[in-house]
Amino acid sequence: KAGVTQTPRYLIKTRGQQVTLSCSPISGHRSVSWYQQTPGQGLQFLFEYFSETQRNKGNFPGRFSGRQFSNSRSEMNVSTLELGDSALYLCASRSAELSNTEAFFGQGTRLTVV
Amino acid sequence: AQSVTQLGSHVSVSEGALVLLRCNYSSSVPPYLFWYVQYPNQGLQLLLKYTSAATLVKGINGFEAEFKKSETSFHLTKPSAHMSDAAEYFCAVSGGTSYGKLTFGQGTILTVHP
Repeated sequence: KAGVTQTPRYLIKTRGQQVTLSCSPISGHRSVSWYQQTPGQGLQFLFEYFSETQRNKGNFPGRFSGRQFSNSRSEMNVSTLELGDSALYLCASRSAELSNTEAFFGQGTRLTVV
Repeated sequence: AQSVTQLGSHVSVSEGALVLLRCNYSSSVPPYLFWYVQYPNQGLQLLLKYTSAATLVKGINGFEAEFKKSETSFHLTKPSAHMSDAAEYFCAVSGGTSYGKLTFGQGTILTVHP
């Protein structure tokens, strides 16, 4: 069974640009969450989607947005990139909507903003 | 609201020695607790989880953790460290209506000396 797939693995963007990251969950998983990981702030929750609906959102500005498609694949978009958006972005999928269900993580997308 | 505190950002042990990584949590609802491990440039891998069944939880690679409600702790242990255990470890909490949101501690980097 394939794991969580994130594309691309590495990305370099210029300040002011926008970026779209993609996540394909484990087959059959309908919950997808996104996290930002930085050395200073650690792992921070961005948002979660379940069956195409955003169920939970972290404390990030509106420049960060996401969506989920009917096949459970998810994308997150960051507009007007800032230097501080440089981070490892991790996607996680879960088999059920209950909060006691373990999350399986992808390898992440390393975004560098220059 | 939920939070996690990992005591010790860096822990160093000798190969064969006991590994003890500390995690304390705060939660207004019954918590579900997880330990994840991250190797360089990789995503997170689940080591073990507590979901209100047995308080002593056994995970992969010889790790285990004990849930102590009175101490609000969920410390991770391994009787004998191996060089391959060198990585960063994260404790996380979820529960209630947090759905897929995991709240992570700041992480503990484990170094294993030969």
